[in-house]
Amino acid sequence: GAGVSQTPSNKVTEKGKYVELRCDPISGHTALYWYRQSLGQGPEFLIYFQGTGAADDSGLPNDRFFAVRPEGSVSTLKIQRTERGDSAVYLCASSLTGGSPYGYTFGSGTRLTVV
Amino acid sequence: GQQLNQSPQSMFIQEGEDVSMNCTSSSIFNTWLWYKQDPGEGPVLLIALYKAGELTSNGRLTAQFGITRKDSFLNISASIPSDVGIYFCAGQVRSQFYFGTGTSLTVIP
Repeated sequence: GAGVSQTPSNKVTEKGKYVELRCDPISGHTALYWYRQSLGQGPEFLIYFQGTGAADDSGLPNDRFFAVRPEGSVSTLKIQRTERGDSAVYLCASSLTGGSPYGYTFGSGTRLTVV
Repeated sequence: GQQLNQSPQSMFIQEGEDVSMNCTSSSIFNTWLWYKQDPGEGPVLLIALYKAGELTSNGRLTAQFGITRKDSFLNISASIPSDVGIYFCAGQVRSQFYFGTGTSLTVIP
């Protein structure tokens, strides 16, 4: 597609439930990133994929968070046993190559609310 | 993680005024980026800076990469209502981008 697509745009879930957030990057972009943005803050890095592999997952806050990109395009961010503190906007970005000097193209995000 | 501090935190200006905001870090970055984020949207790249001392313009926007590589500023000239939004700086280390805390800009017509 023309841009980075994220679904759903909004997700409300109960504390303790499992959620999956999807990201469709720009076609041909090999690098894909997940960020989390809390209210009033800048995006915070979670994980970076180069192709199918996670090149850097140092930003994942704990083992409840996991992400996959099995075919090197679509990625899914998975959160187990959600907590209220997980409520945030989860942003996905893609770029032509990792660390592209032209920066990333971001999606519009998925707003996750844990009640 | 890397800490990028932006100032001011928020600005309220009259349409037509010039705006200046800056970003500082205790760490050195090889690339500085400036983004604008509208409500409900992801950040959109405005300007990218790749060399210390570099001054780059994009229309009414001008940004500079500090010579110490620890700071950058963004200027907006002759502000218009559609400049409203949150502006983020970001510094690059390898494949990661670290974002600042944001400057919220309100333009009063």
